[in-house]
Amino acid sequence: GAVVSQHPSWVICKSGTSVKIECRSLDFQATTMFWYRQFPKQSLMLMATSNEGSKATYEQGVEKDKFLINHASLTLSTLTVTSAHPEDSSFYICSAPYAGGRGDTQYFGPGTRLTVL
Amino acid sequence: QQQVKQSPQSLIVQKGGISIINCAYENTAFDYFPWYQQFPGKGPALLIAIRPDVSEKKEGRFTISFNKSAKQFSLHIMDSQPGDSATYFCAAEWSGTASKLTFGTGTRLQVTL
Repeated sequence: GAVVSQHPSWVICKSGTSVKIECRSLDFQATTMFWYRQFPKQSLMLMATSNEGSKATYEQGVEKDKFLINHASLTLSTLTVTSAHPEDSSFYICSAPYAGGRGDTQYFGPGTRLTVL
Repeated sequence: QQQVKQSPQSLIVQKGGISIINCAYENTAFDYFPWYQQFPGKGPALLIAIRPDVSEKKEGRFTISFNKSAKQFSLHIMDSQPGDSATYFCAAEWSGTASKLTFGTGTRLQVTL
């Protein structure tokens, strides 16, 4: 149990286009999901908290108009990178907390590699 | 206050040896400390986690040692294997932040034959 999937696993796009990344909790419901970005050989940086049925909460320094988040259902959150530029190239990873045992445990998706040409 | 410091940045261990990775935190409100393993091009996978009410937790070859007074915790990998070669991240969470994790900077472990 507690599987999180992402789609696509990799995407290449031209500068100026928008890219949508999906994050799904396959066998559990998640009212909250998290979006991270990770640059090569670096740690995960939290971008935003996705909340089902309400607006996402963005971390300081993250442009909410550039990284649009929609938590459409209890199993799906999407991240849209609008007007992507080469500096947006990164590894994007989502996670969802799964309640069980003594508390919530974060389970991560396999990540999406975005390359902007 | 939200920072989690992790060391070493990289580690080379011989097969069969013990790998030790250390983390330190400042925010005493943190109440959940997971370790994640990440292979290149993959998402992090939960390895083992501990809460402050215990000083040690062992699962197979992996052990977390937790020192609440020193605000430090460490991961020990016993009998390290080449398949353990990966990047390891410690993290800390405060239940009051709806499962929001603060990650350490990561340790790249290489287990040699």
